[in-house]
Amino acid sequence: GDSVTQTEGQVTVSESKSLIINCTYSATSIGYPNLFWYVRYPGEGLQLLLKVITAGQKGSSRGFEATYNKEATSFHLQKASVQESDSAVYYCALTGGNNKLTFGQGTVLSVIP
Amino acid sequence: DMKVTQMPRYLIKRMGENVLLECGQDMSHETMYWYRQDPGLGLQLIYISYDVDSNSEGDIPKGYRVSRKKREHFSLILDSAKTNQTSVYFCASSLSLTGNTEVFFGKGTRLTVV
Repeated sequence: GDSVTQTEGQVTVSESKSLIINCTYSATSIGYPNLFWYVRYPGEGLQLLLKVITAGQKGSSRGFEATYNKEATSFHLQKASVQESDSAVYYCALTGGNNKLTFGQGTVLSVIP
Repeated sequence: DMKVTQMPRYLIKRMGENVLLECGQDMSHETMYWYRQDPGLGLQLIYISYDVDSNSEGDIPKGYRVSRKKREHFSLILDSAKTNQTSVYFCASSLSLTGNTEVFFGKGTRLTVV
């Protein structure tokens, strides 16, 4: 079946520094997957941060970017300069041929002021 | 205001008791979901509902059942709760079950079974 791997359970970064959260995936359906980053701020539900449905394309939102790399089966999340308000849990996810979301385990980002 | 609302937010139950988790959405979405999340694991799909009285098992349905009698409302029921059902439960909805449709989530219910 489909799977998503986020290797870091927790990441701590100082404010204004750069960030990368790693995500790799495995998808079994031809022509897929669609790739997503969701974010959960403290006390809130998950919300869509960005999505990319075409290999080779980049998605961006709120200063975050992620590129759909089909060759490396990766969809890493990057930001050039993080802020304390970016502290949250970030989830990489995909939908494959069954149209159901498969999530990674999440990465807790703590930004130190 | 597009919203998925879960009640209650926190719940403590004894082993063997019945548990009802409620979820509502105000977007007239066809598709609704129940997930659970445990430490170190991603969200796992329990049940999916395609519309009223049209429900399907997800990846981990054992020990759970669902009810959807109105499009805007989706309930998760645990008959005789077990300690291994202690978890955070998320309800979600989407306009349809298409692969690139945004899914909207509630804030979660933290259930503790003692």
